[in-house]
Amino acid sequence: DAGVIQSPRHEVTEMGQEVTLRCKPISGHNSLFWYRQTMMRGLELLIYFNNNVPIDDSGMPEDRFSAKMPNASFSTLKIQPSEPRDSAVYFCASNPTSSGEQFFGPGTRLTVL
Amino acid sequence: KQEVTQIPAALSVPEGENLVLNCSFTDSAIYNLQWFRQDPGKGLTSLLLIQSSQREQTSGRLNASLDKSSGRSTLYIAASQPGDSATYLCAVVNTDKLIFGTGTRLQVFP
Repeated sequence: DAGVIQSPRHEVTEMGQEVTLRCKPISGHNSLFWYRQTMMRGLELLIYFNNNVPIDDSGMPEDRFSAKMPNASFSTLKIQPSEPRDSAVYFCASNPTSSGEQFFGPGTRLTVL
Repeated sequence: KQEVTQIPAALSVPEGENLVLNCSFTDSAIYNLQWFRQDPGKGLTSLLLIQSSQREQTSGRLNASLDKSSGRSTLYIAASQPGDSATYLCAVVNTDKLIFGTGTRLQVFP
């Protein structure tokens, strides 16, 4: 199995631009999670899906952030418009059951200038 | 609200030492607890998962214990090696969500 796949691995953009991060979970996993990691705040859960349905988006910082999971093998996290304070590493993770072991992707390092 | 704390924040030891990393959580109503390793600039690698009904899990030189009643978990690393140098994170599952600790940055020097 290839594990959780994220793209791009690095993204540098200018303030105000739209950013789209992509994630492919491990095949057969029913839950998908988006996290953000910064030095100041550590790892924070942004949103998670169970069977493609958003279950809890209370961690999404603002309306500028949105996430979709159109099918079991693909999810996007979009930031529009982006701001410098959005600079962080964004991780996607999946697990076979909602309370099972989570497997993380390599992350996307986002820099907003 | 669940809070997860890890002590110490950083640790530097010579190769060969046995180590104990600590994790504490405020709400004992957890489904499971997971230990991760993160290398600089990399993602998280799952090390061990302890279900709430279990007391410990072992994988190679790693042993993790869980005491739900006291809200504590420990990660024991035997015979540490320079390759063990990384940040170690514990995370508890409340309902469906992982709540992460602040991490322990470990450096093992030759």
